[in-house]
Amino acid sequence: EAGVAQSPRYKIIEKRQSVAFWCNPISGHATLYWYQQILGQGPKLLIQFQNNGVVDDSQLPKDRFSAERLKGVDSTLKIQPAKLEDSAVYLCASSLDPVGDTSYEQYFGPGTRLTVT
Amino acid sequence: KQEVTQIPAALSVPEGENLVLNCSFTDSAIYNLQWFRQDPGKGLTSLLLIQSSQREQTSGRLNASLDKSSGRSTLYIAASQPGDSATYLCAVEDYKLSFGAGTTVTVRA
Repeated sequence: EAGVAQSPRYKIIEKRQSVAFWCNPISGHATLYWYQQILGQGPKLLIQFQNNGVVDDSQLPKDRFSAERLKGVDSTLKIQPAKLEDSAVYLCASSLDPVGDTSYEQYFGPGTRLTVT
Repeated sequence: KQEVTQIPAALSVPEGENLVLNCSFTDSAIYNLQWFRQDPGKGLTSLLLIQSSQREQTSGRLNASLDKSSGRSTLYIAASQPGDSATYLCAVEDYKLSFGAGTTVTVRA
């Protein structure tokens, strides 16, 4: 079974530039997540999709961050314009939909390491 | 707001010693708790998932316990090996997954 794919793996940009990250989840996983992990911290959820609808984007800085999930499969996360504090690893994860009170493991991609200079 | 704490932040042990990693959380109304492993420059690998109705899960040398009422989980790794060196993250799911900052483990050969 192929895992969660992300690209690019690394990106260096200057502040005020824009950047986009791509994620392809595990086949059959309806739920997709984007996380931001700052060095020395645990990942923080930015946005959660179920199919192509947004379930939770309460921690997404909407003045500069946007995300979409086309046709309920691939997803793109964009930052425009980038700030120094956006330097982090951006992780994509996917899971099966929960059934009743049973939820399922999230499977993570390798992440994109963003450096803003 | 769910707060997840992992103590200690770092741990160094000689090979063969058993590892005990602690996780605490503030809100006991959770669906599940997961333990992840993260290697430098890599994504997260799920190790164990404990549903809220369960008290423990085991996989090979790993055993994780969950005490929802006290807001605690412990990950035990038996007979540690240098390959176990990594950062271990605990995460609890209520309406979303909330992570601790992790415990970085070094197993000395």
